[in-house]
Amino acid sequence: EPEVTQTPSHQVTQMGQEVILRCVPISNHLYFYWYRQILGQKVEFLVSFYNNEISEKSEIFDDQFSVERPDGSNFTLKIRSTKLEDSAMYFCASSALTSLHFGNGTRLTVT
Amino acid sequence: QKEVEQDPGPLSVPEGAIVSLNCTYSNSAFQYFMWYRQYSRKGPELLMYTYSSGNKEDGRFTAQVDKSSKYISLFIRDSQPSDSATYLCAMSTGANNLFFGTGTRLTVIP
Repeated sequence: EPEVTQTPSHQVTQMGQEVILRCVPISNHLYFYWYRQILGQKVEFLVSFYNNEISEKSEIFDDQFSVERPDGSNFTLKIRSTKLEDSAMYFCASSALTSLHFGNGTRLTVT
Repeated sequence: QKEVEQDPGPLSVPEGAIVSLNCTYSNSAFQYFMWYRQYSRKGPELLMYTYSSGNKEDGRFTAQVDKSSKYISLFIRDSQPSDSATYLCAMSTGANNLFFGTGTRLTVIP
């Protein structure tokens, strides 16, 4: 069964550094998303992406965040200057229409 | 803003029991309702997807949506140890921004 793959599984970075989280969505999906889950808290929506542009974003997704689909298969989330509070699991998801399929996440630890 | 409320548990049941998991919500514009299962160190896995009110059954799983009460449920019949996981409800208005509950941690004891 096709799946969403994310790399790396765990990323450790120092505060102020830039990180790029990578995702390969399911190949025939058209909608792409990033969600995050801070330890012990709810899964929260960050951004959705369709037709090579952001279709919706949450208040969390400020100027420090950006997304890109650099080629036909990858979908990336960049955090320009990480803060301690950015430590979380980051999940990529994709969908054909309405059913989202999630990857296994990247655990980001900011020290 | 607490859009979606879910009892975090934990919930422990013996193997073979019927499990009932529930969520309430406040936004009457939600039209799409989902249940996800999440194993430790894994991403959420879609279990059930329902549009608007009504019931949907898939094997041992039944999802119910009562929009008048803003209440959704997931029932698991003949629960198995492999069902032990965290169950997340999620819902949306039709845009693809999902609102999740906190998740209920379920343990099925052999």
